[in-house]
Amino acid sequence: EVQLVESGGALVQPGRSLRLSCAASGFIFDDYAMHWVRQPPGKGLEWVSGITSNSGATGYADSVRGRFTISRDSAKNALYLQMSSLRDEDTALYYCTKGNSHDSSGLFDSWGQGTLVTVSS
Amino acid sequence: QSALTQPRSVSGSPGQSVTISCTGTSSDVGGYNYVSWYQQHPGKAPKLVIYDVTERASGVPDRFSGYKSGNTASLTISGLQAEDEADYYCCSYAGGYNSLFGGGTKLTVL
Repeated sequence: EVQLVESGGALVQPGRSLRLSCAASGFIFDDYAMHWVRQPPGKGLEWVSGITSNSGATGYADSVRGRFTISRDSAKNALYLQMSSLRDEDTALYYCTKGNSHDSSGLFDSWGQGTLVTVSS
Repeated sequence: QSALTQPRSVSGSPGQSVTISCTGTSSDVGGYNYVSWYQQHPGKAPKLVIYDVTERASGVPDRFSGYKSGNTASLTISGLQAEDEADYYCCSYAGGYNSLFGGGTKLTVL
């Protein structure tokens, strides 16, 4: 059974940094692209960033490009999102999601339960 | 990167059919056969329902179907059941390893 467990969410002040982690299990982590999707409280889903299985390609939403960095560690079966220069509008529940192939984008077949990031002074 | 356009809400009675549209551009929905749909119940993580425009995810009943014409994709739910009441989101590959979601549609089963 695929399991994705996010951690690292916190209350943080605007302008500060935070790193989210996602522990993956139940599948061959090295075979699949991974993505972060976020959902502000009471609002819709927004794709944030994605990375191919071999880290050869990454993508970012315009709203986070230049501030967020996605990475993965195959030895730890972990996905990360380094967030810097955080803004109020980054407040959201951040989901770790799994693609269905080594380079899939626009398709997320498994989701974690999310970790909450609150940006506020 | 503008969000794909979905109706804010749709409704139907049990047993009826409803269709939710998702309109994008030739750079996303119209340019690739990589449209997916997600169902989200309150307080829960989203669940994949349809992928690659028409393919049902594992365990999804055949009451759910997907279609695309030009820059608009659609999700049809036939034989509506109470448990189908949820928020539905479309998503499309948008080139350059980017993805784009729709704003979401609230389905009410009357």
